[in-house]
Amino acid sequence: EPEVTQTPSHQVTQMGQEVILRCVPISNHLYFYWYRQILGQKVEFLVSFYNNEISEKSEIFDDQFSVERPDGSNFTLKIRSTKLEDSAMYFCASTFMGLAGFQETQYFGPGTRLLVL
Amino acid sequence: SQQGEEDPQALSIQEGENATMNCSYKTSINNLQWYRQNSGRGLVHLILIRSNEREKHSGRLRVTLDTSKKSSSLLITASRAADTASYFCATDLNTDKLIFGTGTRLQVFP
Repeated sequence: EPEVTQTPSHQVTQMGQEVILRCVPISNHLYFYWYRQILGQKVEFLVSFYNNEISEKSEIFDDQFSVERPDGSNFTLKIRSTKLEDSAMYFCASTFMGLAGFQETQYFGPGTRLLVL
Repeated sequence: SQQGEEDPQALSIQEGENATMNCSYKTSINNLQWYRQNSGRGLVHLILIRSNEREKHSGRLRVTLDTSKKSSSLLITASRAADTASYFCATDLNTDKLIFGTGTRLQVFP
């Protein structure tokens, strides 16, 4: 069964460093997302991406964050200058929109656990 | 209350018993989805129920949706120790972003 993959599974970085989290969505999906989950808290929406542009972003997704689909398969989240509070599990998700315009299931990757020291 | 609140926050049962988790939300939705998360791991999709559906089944899972009460329930029948996990509902608020609830931590004892 097709699945969303993410690399790396764990990343430790120093505050102020740049990190890039990588995702390979399911191949026929056209809508891509990043969410994050701070330890012990809810899963929070960061950004959605369709047709090579951001379609929606949350207030968490400030100028330090960016997303890119550099080729036909990868979808990346970049944090330019990490802060301690960026420590979280970051999930990528993908879906396709049904013919009637209704969203289908969002499939999540296994996550990247980011620790900022 | 927040969009997507699960109840109870924690539930402990014996293997073989049924587990029921509830989710309430505040605004109209297109779909409601249930996910499972094993400790510190990824989110596994369980069921999607649309706003015009009232009940869906998948194996030992049964999900109901009451749009008049803005609530949903997830029933796991004949639970197993492997069902131990956190369960989240997620609503779409008429956009494609998902709003997750706070989750129910289910512990199934052998």
